Amino acid sequence: DAKTTQPNSMESNEEEPVHLPCNHSTISGTDYIHWYRQLPSQGPEYVIHGLTSNVNNRMASLAIAEDRKSSTLILHRATLRDAAVYYCILRGIIQGAQKLVFGQGTRLTINP
Amino acid sequence: DTEVTQTPKHLVMGMTNKKSLKCEQHMGHRAMYWYKQKAKKPPELMFVYSYEKLSINESVPSRFSPECPNSSLLNLHLHALQPEDSALYLCASSQEGRGARQPQHFGDGTRLSIL
Repeated sequence: DAKTTQPNSMESNEEEPVHLPCNHSTISGTDYIHWYRQLPSQGPEYVIHGLTSNVNNRMASLAIAEDRKSSTLILHRATLRDAAVYYCILRGIIQGAQKLVFGQGTRLTINP
Repeated sequence: DTEVTQTPKHLVMGMTNKKSLKCEQHMGHRAMYWYKQKAKKPPELMFVYSYEKLSINESVPSRFSPECPNSSLLNLHLHALQPEDSALYLCASSQEGRGARQPQHFGDGTRLSIL
């Protein structure tokens, strides 16, 4: 299983942008890059995913390096509700089903 | 509120007990998943069902027995568990087909404690 590497923790201030990095140097050509986050006492929540091009949705943006060996999740204006553990995941397909292998994740703290 | 419902939310059981965890979704998803999450660790995949058939078993001990009685329900039967099996058990579901690009939807889990 291809692995991802993320910083253990990051800290930011409310209403400022946050850039969460992820390295995935062993990514294969068919692996999608997925980001999930897990708020305290909840299950993981999908944030965004991409393959090669940068992606935007209402929650965040995903910037993918040209060689696909790294990516960055961007929260444009952090709020206190964005405090969570953010997981960068390479999504593979095994026997027709998705396989998500979670990395250790980045614990994001937002200061008021 | 999540669209994947897990019951019970908490479960305490002895090592000789038999219990079951339940997961239900009504989004029409045909893939369902069980994950185990220890404290301050990421979720680890246990089982994957695709179209009600077991497609992935990540070498999980036989004291955990999954069952998918229909496309909306997923059970995890527990028997003779060990204290180290205490964890948060998460269920997820996703659409299949369409290149399987759809995200997984997670429940909030069952917190299991083994005495």
